[in-house]
Amino acid sequence: AQKVTQAQTEISVVEKEDVTLDCVYETRDTTYYLFWYKQPPSGELVFLIRRNSFDEQNEISGRYSWNFQKSTSSFNFTITASQVVDSAVYFCALSERAAAGNKLTFGGGTRVLVKP
Amino acid sequence: KAGVTQTPRYLIKTRGQQVTLSCSPISGHRSVSWYQQTPGQGLQFLFEYFSETQRNKGNFPGRFSGRQFSNSRSEMNVSTLELGDSALYLCASSLATSTSDTQYFGPGTRLTVL
Repeated sequence: AQKVTQAQTEISVVEKEDVTLDCVYETRDTTYYLFWYKQPPSGELVFLIRRNSFDEQNEISGRYSWNFQKSTSSFNFTITASQVVDSAVYFCALSERAAAGNKLTFGGGTRVLVKP
Repeated sequence: KAGVTQTPRYLIKTRGQQVTLSCSPISGHRSVSWYQQTPGQGLQFLFEYFSETQRNKGNFPGRFSGRQFSNSRSEMNVSTLELGDSALYLCASSLATSTSDTQYFGPGTRLTVL
């Protein structure tokens, strides 16, 4: 069965510090998809990135970057030069191609608090 | 393009009652999924609908049911409410051109059961 683990429950940083969020996943499927979502206090999950299992290239989008390593089953997320607006709960999620339809399995989330 | 909308945003019910939550997907999206979020269990998949058919179901009791209409709008029903059903219920839609499409979430309905 698929599983996503986010070992860090809460991270507190001061503005402009970098913060890295860890995500480790388990799946038996050879084709799968990994996602990161942000949940601000308003509650809505905001999509950040999607990565398929065949694409191990790291990606950078503005202050956000992602490091996908199949060898260690990890998909880590780094926020560079954090800002107060980055304060939110961040979720890593997994979807397997073999599963019928769309189903996301989420990690427990990491709460990021950026202090001014 | 308008995002996923959910109504109502907040709901208070008492044990034993039933409740219906509504979700309107992004225009053109044909798949709607529902998730329950609680502090104890986190985010858990309830079910997914595509073309008015349930395509996948999570591990929830039969008190939780849903349906999808021909315009892709979806409703979720919980009967005989229990205190443990208090949660944020999130709806997500996707194009469903393939499985594992990116899901876009609505703001959620916060249900409180007294």
